Amino acid sequence: GQNIDQPTEMTATEGAIVQINCTYQTSGFNGLFWYQQHAGEAPTFLSYNVLDGLEEKGRFSSFLSRSKGYSYLLLKELQMKDSASYLCAVRDHNNAGNMLTFGGGTRLMVKP
Amino acid sequence: KAGVTQTPRYLIKTRGQQVTLSCSPISGHRSVSWYQQTPGQGLQFLFEYFSETQRNKGNFPGRFSGRQFSNSRSEMNVSTLELGDSALYLCASMGSGFPYEQYFGPGTRLTVT
Repeated sequence: GQNIDQPTEMTATEGAIVQINCTYQTSGFNGLFWYQQHAGEAPTFLSYNVLDGLEEKGRFSSFLSRSKGYSYLLLKELQMKDSASYLCAVRDHNNAGNMLTFGGGTRLMVKP
Repeated sequence: KAGVTQTPRYLIKTRGQQVTLSCSPISGHRSVSWYQQTPGQGLQFLFEYFSETQRNKGNFPGRFSGRQFSNSRSEMNVSTLELGDSALYLCASMGSGFPYEQYFGPGTRLTVT
């Protein structure tokens, strides 16, 4: 099976930088996704990591260490609209298809 | 391209009833997955369909079932509804190119009374 952990809540200030951590245990790792979900809306894709290292996409970056079972999402120059839940999800290559296991999500509150 | 659509958006049912939810994936997407989202359990995988075949199944009782049609549209059915089935049901279709990310629909909010 898989186990994915992320902090439940975080608070940060507008304009600052915040790092959301995700640790996972899986029998067959085949990629890690980060999704953003605003209250009452569907999750939207942010980033994907399958190799170790940092992937940068504008204000958002995601890092992966497969040996440590660890990823983080880095949000820079925080804006009020970044207040949302951030979901870490792992894909397992033991499946024939595309099953994702999600962490519980981290609710980020950005304050002025 | 139009996004993933789900109908209905909101539904109220009584315990013991059954319900059918519908999902239309993005045009060209052949994989459709269903998830249940609740405040306590988060997003939990129900099942995935690809080319009308169930390819993966999560740990949900047999009351939860689904199917996929030749046009990739999918339905999920929940029979003998329980109060604990109240949740947001999300459908996602998978892109056909790397990294094969999932695109989620707006969900169906099911309330069981």
